[in-house]
Amino acid sequence: DADVTQTPRNRITKTGKRIMLECSQTKGHDRMYWYRQDPGLGLRLIYYSFDVKDINKGEISDGYSVSRQAQAKFSLSLESAIPNQTALYFCATSGRDFYYNEQFFGPGTRLTVL
Amino acid sequence: AQSVAQPEDQVNVAEGNPLTVKCTYSVSGNPYLFWYVQYPNRGLQFLLKYITGDNLVKGSYGFEAEFNKSQTSFHLKKPSALVSDSALYFCAVRDNIGQNFVFGPGTRLSVLP
Repeated sequence: DADVTQTPRNRITKTGKRIMLECSQTKGHDRMYWYRQDPGLGLRLIYYSFDVKDINKGEISDGYSVSRQAQAKFSLSLESAIPNQTALYFCATSGRDFYYNEQFFGPGTRLTVL
Repeated sequence: AQSVAQPEDQVNVAEGNPLTVKCTYSVSGNPYLFWYVQYPNRGLQFLLKYITGDNLVKGSYGFEAEFNKSQTSFHLKKPSALVSDSALYFCAVRDNIGQNFVFGPGTRLSVLP
């Protein structure tokens, strides 16, 4: 089974709808991240969490919110989706010695907002 | 502030030839450098990292990368490219001051048979 899973894998929605993307991990990592990927822009950090009680905004948090329900679960919500939030979304995790440790990524969620 | 540049959007190479994917970086503290690969419809996979020590780092699938502090570069290399190496490659950096990774825009590698 995959260490980092994301649901759904694909989602098409309409402008103004509320959307939740979910991420679960079995790696036992404290740190979890949400990124979005757009062509030519690489990955940009939306939110990150270093433990259940620690949530931080990333580079592009406007229009998004998150919830860390447990060490293993980190959800991303779009309260009112807009077309420019159409992108590929990735969840990632990393271990506690975070300067040295690489991140582990989920398979991604492709979101289309019409 | 941290930043990463990958000056080439696309790199084409013939199978069997050596390949290089370029990365330059800017950080305030000591750099920790990473390469990831993304295959179609997949998440990013870790290839290799430089933390300290030897400037030549060996990683997965026969890839290696050379850290050059004076040129602030961390180029990804492979002596003999395979068609299956065709993918999107990302360079990432973090330093001992910032909290998170910064990713480059990605370089699409195409290995032609």
